[in-house]
Amino acid sequence: GAVVSQHPSRVICKSGTSVKIECRSLDFQATTMFWYRQFPKQSLMLMATSNEGSKATYEQGVEKDKFLINHASLTLSTLTVTSAHPEDSSFYICSAPGQGTMGTEAFFGQGTRLTVV
Amino acid sequence: GDSVTQMEGPVTLSEEAFLTINCTYTATGYPSLFWYVQYPGEGLQLLLKATKADDKGSNKGFEATYRKETTSFHLEKGSVQVSDSAVYFCALRGAGKSTFGDGTTLTVKP
Repeated sequence: GAVVSQHPSRVICKSGTSVKIECRSLDFQATTMFWYRQFPKQSLMLMATSNEGSKATYEQGVEKDKFLINHASLTLSTLTVTSAHPEDSSFYICSAPGQGTMGTEAFFGQGTRLTVV
Repeated sequence: GDSVTQMEGPVTLSEEAFLTINCTYTATGYPSLFWYVQYPGEGLQLLLKATKADDKGSNKGFEATYRKETTSFHLEKGSVQVSDSAVYFCALRGAGKSTFGDGTTLTVKP
């Protein structure tokens, strides 16, 4: 099946620094990717929809300037958490919808555990 | 908008017990329905899916049937194992993006 690779799997950073998370579709092209955030023992909340070649679409309440999304190519989307604070500590997961016969399915990355100290 | 309501947990069962995790949804149109499993510290893995009414998804002994009349997609397994301990998410996919239930934590004791 299709594979979405997310990197890094874990990152610890100091308050005030920025962290970049990469999401790659390894064997298919993704014009759209989704970024989710998951707090401990809670469900996944959609943060934004990343669109190749255009601006990302953010969900209500998500700060665009804090969570920068760049969909640089058909296989890569990045999420940069800028000026990170401890409350940004969370589990971030990306996904990409399948194409063609896989079109009803979304494929998820392994997730990134961000800890801001 | 779309929503998914999932049975609250946590659920604790003995090995070989029967499992049911209820899931109901509201959505416009005809969404695809999914069950995902998440092991501690990991991302989501697709467990099974159904794309239209009356479809039954199955995998690793788990089953769920897409019931349009009751807008439900309950997850079942006849005999759980310790290795099934994880968090289970019911989800639907409508216009591109996925909507998730709150997750149900399953613990299976030997």
